[in-house]
Amino acid sequence: DAGVIQSPRHEVTEMGQEVTLRCKPISGHDYLFWYRQTMMRGLELLIYFNNNVPIDDSGMPEDRFSAKMPNASFSTLKIQPSEPRDSAVYFCASSPPPGYEQYFGPGTRLTVT
Amino acid sequence: TQLLEQSPQFLSIQEGENLTVYCNSSSVFSSLQWYRQEPGEGPVLLVTVVTGGEVKKLKRLTFQFGDARKDSSLHITAAQPGDTGLYLCAGVTSGTYKYIFGTGTRLKVLA
Repeated sequence: DAGVIQSPRHEVTEMGQEVTLRCKPISGHDYLFWYRQTMMRGLELLIYFNNNVPIDDSGMPEDRFSAKMPNASFSTLKIQPSEPRDSAVYFCASSPPPGYEQYFGPGTRLTVT
Repeated sequence: TQLLEQSPQFLSIQEGENLTVYCNSSSVFSSLQWYRQEPGEGPVLLVTVVTGGEVKKLKRLTFQFGDARKDSSLHITAAQPGDTGLYLCAGVTSGTYKYIFGTGTRLKVLA
């Protein structure tokens, strides 16, 4: 089992640019979670999906953030336009039913200059 | 706003010592989890507790869920350098998968 796959592992971009983070969950897992981790705020849930449907996006900080899950094996988190305060490590996690065992990916370290 | 406070924030101990990490909240959780995270990696699930008063053991690690399901503790016996990492608790309330993560405890075990 390859585990949760995230790409890219590192992203450096300039303020105002669009950023797209990608996630491939573990096969058979029907829950997918996007988190953001910073030193100041710790690990925060942004959004989660069940069977490709967004269930709770109340953690998405602003309209600049959007997430999609077009199929069971792929999800994206997009930031447009990016700002320096978006700099963080973004994690994707997936879970088999009933959704209480999260397996995290290695994360994407995003730096916005 | 639900908060999970962990204490201590930082802990540096010698190999062989025992330690306890605490996770406290004013909210009631239907289940609570403990994770360990190493630098450059995602958190790894250690245990899930769901019943008030529940105690689970994982080798040298003992996890307890408070009777009121508002707090939890992680006790490590005879710590080893391999236990070094960031320990996170996470709680979820009934009917949702909206996990709230604790503030974290950074543990360093010196050989």
